[in-house]
Amino acid sequence: ELKVEQNPLFLSMQEGKNYTIYCNYSTTSDRLYWYRQDPGKSLESLFVLLSNGAVKQEGRLMASLDTKARLSTLHITAAVHDLSATYFCAVDTTGTASKLTFGTGTRLQVTL
Amino acid sequence: DAGVTQSPTHLIKTRGQQVTLRCSPKSGHDTVSWYQQALGQGPQFIFQYYEEEERQRGNFPDRFSGHQFPNYSSELNVNALLLGDSALYLCASSPLGGTSYNEQFFGPGTRLTVL
Repeated sequence: ELKVEQNPLFLSMQEGKNYTIYCNYSTTSDRLYWYRQDPGKSLESLFVLLSNGAVKQEGRLMASLDTKARLSTLHITAAVHDLSATYFCAVDTTGTASKLTFGTGTRLQVTL
Repeated sequence: DAGVTQSPTHLIKTRGQQVTLRCSPKSGHDTVSWYQQALGQGPQFIFQYYEEEERQRGNFPDRFSGHQFPNYSSELNVNALLLGDSALYLCASSPLGGTSYNEQFFGPGTRLTVL
């Protein structure tokens, strides 16, 4: 059974600081997704990583994928309050993007 | 383009009752997947519908059933509700039978509370 683990589960960081969220998964896959979820809201797609070594950046967020280590990272640069949310990674092992196994989520709180 | 829509937004039921949730996929999408997200947890895959048939299923009991209509919209039915069924139910749609790795859009969700 595929297991997807994120750490940390909760992250409180000051504005302007850098930090990394880690996503480990237990089965071979070369497709990994990052989502953001605000309280009471649905999931917003952030990044789609489709191959080993893939790196994508959008604003203050950068995601990477190492399929050999079964590890993805979401790096936050110079955090701002607007980034406060819960971040999920999700892994696809079935060959279709429509069945995803999600991680436990990392709740990020950015303080002034 | 309206995106993925779900109804109702919120629902309160009592134990033992039955509930039906509805989802309309994004225009041009033919595959619908349903997820259950309990409070403080990540979404869990329930099942997926394509060409009006259940194509994949997660680890959920038979109390959870679904349907897809010719216009690609979908329903999720839950029978004999338990307190543990309280969750946010998310619908996601994708095109091309779900083979497009870049595209899966989630709806706003239906918040189900079972008392």
